[in-house]
Amino acid sequence: GDSVTQTEGQVTVSESKSLIINCTYSATSIAYPNLFWYVRYPGEGLQLLLKVITAGQKGSSRGFEATYNKETTSFHLQKASVQESDSAVYYCALTPANTGANTGKLTFGHGTILRVHP
Amino acid sequence: GPKVLQIPSHQIIDMGQMVTLNCDPVSNHLYFYWYKQILGQQMEFLVNFYNGKVMEKSKLFKDQFSVERPDGSYFTLKIQPTALEDSAVYFCASSLVGAPLFGEGTRLSVL
Repeated sequence: GDSVTQTEGQVTVSESKSLIINCTYSATSIAYPNLFWYVRYPGEGLQLLLKVITAGQKGSSRGFEATYNKETTSFHLQKASVQESDSAVYYCALTPANTGANTGKLTFGHGTILRVHP
Repeated sequence: GPKVLQIPSHQIIDMGQMVTLNCDPVSNHLYFYWYKQILGQQMEFLVNFYNGKVMEKSKLFKDQFSVERPDGSYFTLKIQPTALEDSAVYFCASSLVGAPLFGEGTRLSVL
């Protein structure tokens, strides 16, 4: 079946430094999957950070970016300069292609805890 | 902004008993979901629900599980009877169009 791999369980970064959180995927469907980054801030529910449904495209939100790379099957999350308020848990996820986001059938990675210290 | 509410945050129940997990979705959303996360593992899709019906369910959605949303109120997940392996955090989500919005989860402990 489909799977998403986040290699880092926790990342610690100093404020104003750059960030990369790795995500690779494996999808069994013939067409390319839809890719997502979700974030859970302390005391809140999981919320969508960004999504990309077309291979080669880049998604961005709140200073974060992720590029859908079908050659390396990766969707790494990057930010040029992090803030303490970015401290949260970040989840990479996919849905099979052509299912539409309304099926809500997401396959999640394990999540990466981001700690930003001043 | 809009929120999906799950109360209580933790439920403790004896094995073999019935439990109902409640979810208060965003008021105008039409699609509803349950996910399960066992400690140390990924969140996994259980079921989605639309127009009063289950659209799709995973192999984790055992026969002891059922979902409903009577009269447009809470969206519920019922487990009857519970088993030790049902201990997990259960996340509810809802959507109108686009990616679902999740609640904070209910931790279910089956003793």
